[in-house]
Amino acid sequence: DAGITQSPRHKVTETGTPVTLRCHQTENHRYMYWYRQDPGHGLRLIHYSYGVKDTDKGEVSDGYSVSRSKTEDFLLTLESATSSQTSVYFCAISERLAGGSNTGELFFGEGSRLTVL
Amino acid sequence: GQQVMQIPQYQHVQEGEDFTTYCNSSTTLSNIQWYKQRPGGHPVFLIQLVKSGEVKKQKRLTFQFGEAKKNSSLHITATQTTDVGTYFCAGPGGYGQNFVFGPGTRLSVLP
Repeated sequence: DAGITQSPRHKVTETGTPVTLRCHQTENHRYMYWYRQDPGHGLRLIHYSYGVKDTDKGEVSDGYSVSRSKTEDFLLTLESATSSQTSVYFCAISERLAGGSNTGELFFGEGSRLTVL
Repeated sequence: GQQVMQIPQYQHVQEGEDFTTYCNSSTTLSNIQWYKQRPGGHPVFLIQLVKSGEVKKQKRLTFQFGEAKKNSSLHITATQTTDVGTYFCAGPGGYGQNFVFGPGTRLSVLP
């Protein structure tokens, strides 16, 4: 498996609290992604990064922010968690833009299960 | 925006039976990828198809890309309990040309 570590793996929090999920990679891949997975929706892209300090929005970015200060770390922050953000969050990495003209495959982390009460 | 659909949503088969899942896109795809996610696990890349009409095989798994590059299928011959999981297709065309994933087909195999 690719060297991707997500933390925490499980978290329960209350509505209105801030939450930060961390993704750490040891593969030196350029692209990093945050997805959320909910029943019936597959995987939906929240934000992605194409380099240090270079990030962009995905399909479901409202309520989320990201930062990438180092190649190996990609942080996802929920500034004020809501119950609708209860989900399983997956970090993924790729050498080339997944979906681009010279597409690369995605390598996923183990996931972080977040419950917002 | 681009939509990727998969059918069926669920499939229960007896071990040894065949299984097929279909993926349909609202737009023409330059390529398509398939992923498998075991229960409680994370998605794992299976294969990528690029050419119109392309067929690729991996042991008991056969992947096809439609002639019009708007649909794809995954066929498993003689299913085994190790095939249990959810199979996702993904095609480019989302935000920033990133992949859009289908909702997945969950396969259960009864021994």
